[in-house]
Amino acid sequence: KAGVTQTPRYLIKTRGQQVTLSCSPISGHRSVSWYQQTPGQGLQFLFEYFSETQRNKGNFPGRFSGRQFSNSRSEMNVSTLELGDSALYLCASNVASGAGGELFFGEGSRLTVL
Amino acid sequence: GDSVTQMEGPVTLSEEAFLTINCTYTATGYPSLFWYVQYPGEGLQLLLKATKADDKGSNKGFEATYRKETTSFHLEKGSVQVSDSAVYFCAHDLGGGGNKLTFGTGTQLKVEL
Repeated sequence: KAGVTQTPRYLIKTRGQQVTLSCSPISGHRSVSWYQQTPGQGLQFLFEYFSETQRNKGNFPGRFSGRQFSNSRSEMNVSTLELGDSALYLCASNVASGAGGELFFGEGSRLTVL
Repeated sequence: GDSVTQMEGPVTLSEEAFLTINCTYTATGYPSLFWYVQYPGEGLQLLLKATKADDKGSNKGFEATYRKETTSFHLEKGSVQVSDSAVYFCAHDLGGGGNKLTFGTGTQLKVEL
């Protein structure tokens, strides 16, 4: 069974640009969550999608957005990039959106903003 | 607000030493508690979890007990191996549904021969 796949794995952008990251969950998983990992702030929750609907949202500015498609694949977009957006962006999937469930993480997309 | 506090690293131990990584949490409701591990160059993977008070999660020789009275979920292993070298994250969920996890800052463990 294939794991969570994130693309691209690495990317470099400049300030002001925008970026789109993609996540393909494990087959059969309908919940996709996104996290930002930085050395200073650690792992912070961005948002969760379940059945194409945003279920939870973290405390990030509106420049961060996401969506989920009918096949459960998800994308997140960051507009008007800032230097502080440099981070490892992790996607996680789960069968459902319920408490106590195990999240399966991808290896992440490492974004560098110059 | 909801938060997770875990001991800072890095922690360096000799092989076969006893490991404790402290974790305390604040949360509304009745969260589930987790330990995730991140090996070098890999994504996070679930190590163990506990979904209610007094539950003990265990896996690969690691254990942690959900202590509601002390709001703690300390990770322990009796005899660590070099292959246990990784970053360990304590986390809890909302408790009312959803997959939003609040993570601690992570504790890097290095095990030497």
